[in-house]
Amino acid sequence: NAGVTQTPKFRVLKTGQSMTLLCAQDMNHEYMYWYRQDPGMGLRLIHYSVGEGTTAKGEVPDGYNVSRLKKQNFLLGLESAAPSQTSVYFCASSYSLGGATNEKLFFGSGTQLSVL
Amino acid sequence: AQTVTQSQPEMSVQEAETVTLSCTYDTSESDYYLFWYKQPPSRQMILVIRQEAYKQQNATENRFSVNFQKAAKSFSLKISDSQLGDAAMYFCAYRSSGRSGGSNYKLTFGKGTLLTVNP
Repeated sequence: NAGVTQTPKFRVLKTGQSMTLLCAQDMNHEYMYWYRQDPGMGLRLIHYSVGEGTTAKGEVPDGYNVSRLKKQNFLLGLESAAPSQTSVYFCASSYSLGGATNEKLFFGSGTQLSVL
Repeated sequence: AQTVTQSQPEMSVQEAETVTLSCTYDTSESDYYLFWYKQPPSRQMILVIRQEAYKQQNATENRFSVNFQKAAKSFSLKISDSQLGDAAMYFCAYRSSGRSGGSNYKLTFGKGTLLTVNP
């Protein structure tokens, strides 16, 4: 049981380049999330998904797109990378929401992205 | 919108001593969840402890315990018998239950407290 797997772990981009971050979970979770972590800012939600084929905007969605074509995968895309998108990106998943005893977020190990 | 405030950017403690990390939050909801996450240098986010707002009893997990003051909207984490492995960034987080109309999909994080443990 691998949990939540993010690829790649590190990436350096030039301004204007595009890339896709992949998140995969093997726990049959319905909910998946993308967060970014910046020094002194904590984690902020970029986009999330409440099930296969659904996506929604979080706190800081500008400059990012996402897709959830398969339940186990949640992709985060940067169409034209900017230096302001230099950050550590975390994917997370959870089985349920709203009070279930197994309500818990499982995090991936993060992707360090630098945009020059 | 809910906000979570951690007023201590950095804290230090001597090994085997006790330390308390502070967290306050702002919400108009009565039903929600609060969490403390630990992030060691490996970057992995690890759930330390979880508290349901409707429970009066403070949550405890081994050496970790919380002091949940609902009226004061305070949720501090106490680490007893601190160990070198406790050194990490600690994040306080809030999540609505959704039962009172709030959005229950999102964890709102504080900015974190960096804990150093001195041998």
